[in-house]
Amino acid sequence: DAKTTQPTSMDCAEGRAANLPCNHSTISGNEYVYWYRQIHSQGPQYIIHGLKNNETNEMASLIITEDRKSSTLILPHATLRDTAVYYCIVRPYTGNQFYFGTGTSLTVIP
Amino acid sequence: EADIYQTPRYLVIGTGKKITLECSQTMGHDKMYWYQQDPGMELHLIHYSYGVNSTEKGDLSSESTVSRIRTEHFPLTLESARPSHTSQYLCASSSAWETQYFGPGTRLLVL
Repeated sequence: DAKTTQPTSMDCAEGRAANLPCNHSTISGNEYVYWYRQIHSQGPQYIIHGLKNNETNEMASLIITEDRKSSTLILPHATLRDTAVYYCIVRPYTGNQFYFGTGTSLTVIP
Repeated sequence: EADIYQTPRYLVIGTGKKITLECSQTMGHDKMYWYQQDPGMELHLIHYSYGVNSTEKGDLSSESTVSRIRTEHFPLTLESARPSHTSQYLCASSSAWETQYFGPGTRLLVL
């Protein structure tokens, strides 16, 4: 079962930062937070993951609260191509699968 | 970027036909997975493999079968397709317990 709660949908203006929240209040100490996105029913695309420290890569930044009960994915300058369903997933590092849940449908508006 | 391929991308087939969906990866990953996703719905794991000659069923019951004779290849077979099998099938692979990388998917329509 998915262990995360995300808003069903969000809008973001093109060029602005998109901040996608995720609650994972029951996260365990050995569980990582992963973010994927799925553009128009293509295969999910890995974005970023983290344990407790904030992470940044060429696609996004991941901010995890100190108590690890929530996190935020930040797309610094959203483009129309970022319109997708974004999945926040909590998973033990040794887990064999990802529970994707229903995610957040992000629409970037021109 | 991951190199994982699925063929065909789209398949329309009649009831009762045998089909095989192909999945290949060139990354040498030990672990491979098959997920099923209906339009607008969640992904569900139907099969996974930890390595050659290893296959396991996932959380979602599926009438499909898989095989893992080579590390890079993880085909999924439906012996007798039915309309209820209409869905999108997504293949993924990972190294050890790391990030899973997905293929583009196969959209199956059974008439």
